[in-house]
Amino acid sequence: QQQVKQSPQSLIVQKGGISIINCAYENTAFDYFPWYQQFPGKGPALLIAIRPDVSEKKEGRFTISFNKSAKQFSLHIMDSQPGDSATYFCAAKYETSGSRLTFGEGTQLTVNP
Amino acid sequence: GAVVSQHPSRVICKSGTSVKIECRSLDFQATTMFWYRQFPKQSLMLMATSNEGSKATYEQGVEKDKFLINHASLTLSTLTVTSAHPEDSSFYICSAGTGRGEKLFFGSGTQLSVL
Repeated sequence: QQQVKQSPQSLIVQKGGISIINCAYENTAFDYFPWYQQFPGKGPALLIAIRPDVSEKKEGRFTISFNKSAKQFSLHIMDSQPGDSATYFCAAKYETSGSRLTFGEGTQLTVNP
Repeated sequence: GAVVSQHPSRVICKSGTSVKIECRSLDFQATTMFWYRQFPKQSLMLMATSNEGSKATYEQGVEKDKFLINHASLTLSTLTVTSAHPEDSSFYICSAGTGRGEKLFFGSGTQLSVL
């Protein structure tokens, strides 16, 4: 299974700060890169996603930055709130795998009030 | 967004018994469903992929006779953990896709505890 490497493993941010989570992938055939948010005891929920033909996508306080040449993408959470405290997973897929996703290892984000 | 309903959310059973977990797509037809297993503070591990009307495809190292998957309709897939043992205790999550787009929708997960 192709890997997606995610960092950091954990992150602590003060309320109002910017949370940044990074991912790197190996397979250049990946063509869809979603981010999922997971609260304890719940399934992951799609947060935001990007395709490699754009370098940035913003939805509210969440922004994905994508660097195709470096095979890296990152999630930025602006004005981080305590309610954003959760585990975040990056993922990637390529067309021939249908909807099958390859997940990163996850980042546990804690936003202190 | 599309809704995937997973039941039960939590189950406790005795060692040796079988447990069935249901995954339903409520407002769309799921041509493909995926079953994941997640240990505490770890990522999701794909167990198997099921397509409606056909046999599931299991990932390497996943015992197909242990984890029985049935995808009998476009809105329902079930995972049966047969003869469960304490090492099968985990968080099981299903997800469903329409097959046409990229979006994958997840169930709320099932926490299985085998005593």
